[in-house]
Amino acid sequence: DAKTTQPNSMESNEEEPVHLPCNHSTISGTDYIHWYRQLPSQGPEYVIHGLTSNVNNRMASLAIAEDRKSSTLILHRATLRDAAVYYCILRVFQGGKLIFGQGTELSVKP
Amino acid sequence: DTGVSQNPRHKITKRGQNVTFRCDPISEHNRLYWYRQTLGQGPEFLTYFQNEAQLEKSRLLSDRFSAERPKGSFSTLEIQRTEQGDSAMYLCASRGLTGGPAHEQFFGPGTRLTVL
Repeated sequence: DAKTTQPNSMESNEEEPVHLPCNHSTISGTDYIHWYRQLPSQGPEYVIHGLTSNVNNRMASLAIAEDRKSSTLILHRATLRDAAVYYCILRVFQGGKLIFGQGTELSVKP
Repeated sequence: DTGVSQNPRHKITKRGQNVTFRCDPISEHNRLYWYRQTLGQGPEFLTYFQNEAQLEKSRLLSDRFSAERPKGSFSTLEIQRTEQGDSAMYLCASRGLTGGPAHEQFFGPGTRLTVL
């Protein structure tokens, strides 16, 4: 399974943008890039996904490098409720199981 | 609440005992996944069902683990002869058929197992 590499932790100030990087140099052509986040004491929740083009939704934006070997999750204005572990995942086509890595623990300071 | 539910939320058991967890997916979601998460780690895939068929099992799923989804709705995960290493959060997720491989999975709150 293709692997992803993320920083272990990042800090942000409230109401500032946050850029969470992810490297996935072994990505294959059919792998979708998914981001999930896990708030304390909860199950993971879907944030956003993309294949080749940049994507926006109400929660975040996803910027995908042209060669698809890296991507960046962008939270436009971090809030205290965004403090969570963010996982960058390459979605396996067959069956759709998610292969989680260590994730990035984001802390948000008021 | 129409989300994924899991019961019990917490389970404490003694080593050697059997435990069973239940997951109720979102109605009409045909795919159901089980994951295990230990402290400080990301969730690890265990197994998944499409309707009542168990289509994939991870090598993490030893012979002491068995999962069922008898009518294609709720699922159970049983651990026999529990060991201290089984202590973890057990997460269930479901997904609908439409939307292809990009479709999101919806996770339940998990069952935290502590084996003494």
